[in-house]
Amino acid sequence: DAGITQSPRHKVTETGTPVTLRCHQTENHRYMYWYRQDPGHGLRLIHYSYGVKDTDKGEVSDGYSVSRSKTEDFLLTLESATSSQTSVYFCAIRGTGSSYEQYFGPGTRLTVT
Amino acid sequence: GESVGLHLPTLSVQEGDNSIINCAYSNSASDYFIWYKQESGKGPQFIIDIRSNMDKRQGQRVTVLLNKTVKHLSLQIAATQPGDSAVYFCAENIGNFNKFYFGSGTKLNVKP
Repeated sequence: DAGITQSPRHKVTETGTPVTLRCHQTENHRYMYWYRQDPGHGLRLIHYSYGVKDTDKGEVSDGYSVSRSKTEDFLLTLESATSSQTSVYFCAIRGTGSSYEQYFGPGTRLTVT
Repeated sequence: GESVGLHLPTLSVQEGDNSIINCAYSNSASDYFIWYKQESGKGPQFIIDIRSNMDKRQGQRVTVLLNKTVKHLSLQIAATQPGDSAVYFCAENIGNFNKFYFGSGTKLNVKP
C-alpha cells in the first residue's frame, strides 16, 4: 500500500457523534486525498491537501472537514455523523513520477447507525 | 481489508483469452485518464494512464485506447489470468491533476 496506513480500519458509530479518520504516510508526499466509495458511485473525492495546512474541497465535501498539521498525517472529520455517511473511506497519496497516479490505502469501513 | 458490495456490470472471460473493459467518460474537456484495478478488500491500484494527445498506450499485457470523438476509453488485457479478477475503474481529470472523477467500475471474472 505504498506506505499508507489508515486508522481505524472499521468503525461503528451512532448518528450525531463526531468521528475522525486518520491517514498516515511514510513517503513524504505533498498531495493527499480522501475518497468515499459507495455502490454504484465508484470513488468520489471528499477533500484533498496540497501541503501542510493547505486543503481544498472535492465533489462531496459537505459534512466533512479535514486537517493537515504535518506532512505525514491527513485527518478526515465528520463533525456529526449521519447514516448517509456510511461508506468505505480511502486515503490516497499522489506519486511524484511523470504520471499522476494515486496510491491508495487499505480503506476504513464506517457504519453510522 | 475493505471491500464494497458493488452491483456492477460483470465481464466473464476464460483464462488465456483477451479482455476488453470499456468506459464512457462524461466531459469532452477531460485531458488525462487513468485505469485502476481494485481487488476485493483492497484499495485501487494504478494500471496505466493516457493523456488526451494520445490514442493508444501500451504497458505490460495491457493497452489503453482513447477515442475522444465518442468520449470512450477501453482497457485491453492480453492473456487474462486468474489474478486479473478484480473491479476495474477508469478515472478522468481536467487540467488540475488533483480532481479525478471515477467511473462506477466493471467487475472482471476470470474463469480457470
